[in-house]
Amino acid sequence: AQSVTQPDIHITVSEGASLELRCNYSYGATPYLFWYVQSPGQGLQLLLKYFSGDTLVQGIKGFEAEFKRSQSSFNLRKPSVHWSDAAEYFCAVGGLNNNDMRFGAGTRLTVKP
Amino acid sequence: GAGVSQSPRYKVAKRGQDVALRCDPISGHVSLFWYQQALGQGPEFLTYFQNEAQLDKSGLPSDRFFAERPEGSVSTLKIQRTQQEDSAVYLCASSLGSSSVSQETQYFGPGTRLLVL
Repeated sequence: AQSVTQPDIHITVSEGASLELRCNYSYGATPYLFWYVQSPGQGLQLLLKYFSGDTLVQGIKGFEAEFKRSQSSFNLRKPSVHWSDAAEYFCAVGGLNNNDMRFGAGTRLTVKP
Repeated sequence: GAGVSQSPRYKVAKRGQDVALRCDPISGHVSLFWYQQALGQGPEFLTYFQNEAQLDKSGLPSDRFFAERPEGSVSTLKIQRTQQEDSAVYLCASSLGSSSVSQETQYFGPGTRLLVL
């Protein structure tokens, strides 16, 4: 069965600093991987997704993620964090014929001024 | 344009009470999903509709949970005889096509926060 692990429950970074949020997945076949962001009172918003091809994926708001099959990882990065990036971030895994997208437990990002 | 909307945004129910949660997907979206998000957890899949057909309800936790989408647009998630463990945020998402989840971007609503006392 597929599953997602986000090892960091809470991360604090200073504004302007770089960010990396970790995501490890377990999936029997080629995974489809997603990162979502959830701000308070807002719905989940898709940041980026990986299906195939280039393992470095660019998303919205300056985020990128790299798929590393050998490490079963799909870490999210941003070179310079803005205060507005403070939110909850969720990694998710799905498959080609799968209506059941599995989410990680999330990482809460706090941005210090 | 309008996104996915859900109502009510907050619901407090007494244990044993029935509740109905509404989802208005983006107009024209074929696929509709319901998720349950417990406090401090990621969303968990409940059920999936393609138009009015409920194609997957494997995530519904018990027979007290029932979802419908009779005309292929608005959907209602009903929980009968609510229990305290039903307290969670219930998220609705829609996507444009009928392809599998990986092919289409899901657009999420803000959720309904249910508290069962």
